[in-house]
Amino acid sequence: EVVLTQSPDFQSVTPKEKVTITCRASQSIASSLHWYQQKPDQSPKLLIKYASQSISGVPSRFSGSGSGTDFTLTINSLEAEDAAAYYCHQSSSLPYTFGQGTKLEIK
Amino acid sequence: EEQVVESGGGLIQPGGSLRLSCAASGFSVSVNYMTWVRQAPGKGLEWVSLITSSGSTYYADSVKGRFTVSRDISKNTLYLQMNSLRAEDTAVYYCARLGASGGQGTLVTVSS
Repeated sequence: EVVLTQSPDFQSVTPKEKVTITCRASQSIASSLHWYQQKPDQSPKLLIKYASQSISGVPSRFSGSGSGTDFTLTINSLEAEDAAAYYCHQSSSLPYTFGQGTKLEIK
Repeated sequence: EEQVVESGGGLIQPGGSLRLSCAASGFSVSVNYMTWVRQAPGKGLEWVSLITSSGSTYYADSVKGRFTVSRDISKNTLYLQMNSLRAEDTAVYYCARLGASGGQGTLVTVSS
């Protein structure tokens, strides 16, 4: 089973800051890594698919990079509405798995 | 516009059965990889099952032998048959096409 480890678990940030969340896989998953955002009391929303592919309707301040075992979600110029939990998810090998999540708090 | 709508959740006693449905629109469940994911109260996301475009099915160890994923192409609907339910199956269940967002989810509560 591929274990995904996100860091940090929690981050408190101010608006307009640049935020970086990392996701490390226990083995190579090529580019089969997706990022989800989940706001309180809402369902998860896909932000980035296959490591770096943008999703229609998602603000351009969200971007993804990486391949193999190390991946990054970057949020440029954070906005208050970005307060949420963020999860990485791999679909390279079964069982599919998720990272433990990163909670972003806006100061 | 692509959309999925999950339904069928509810309160069920331990050992009971429930069938969840996921009605898709804007795309065909028959040509996509479709997944079920769940989230227990206050916890993170957990992958549950996958049905591929060719109809192959896969499950998390935690549900293997108890849950069955299927699809009805004529109704463009995905199903999750859940048997021998346990308290630890209590969660919101989401379905999604691989590489897309899911719906609002349906809550399953297993309790006596």
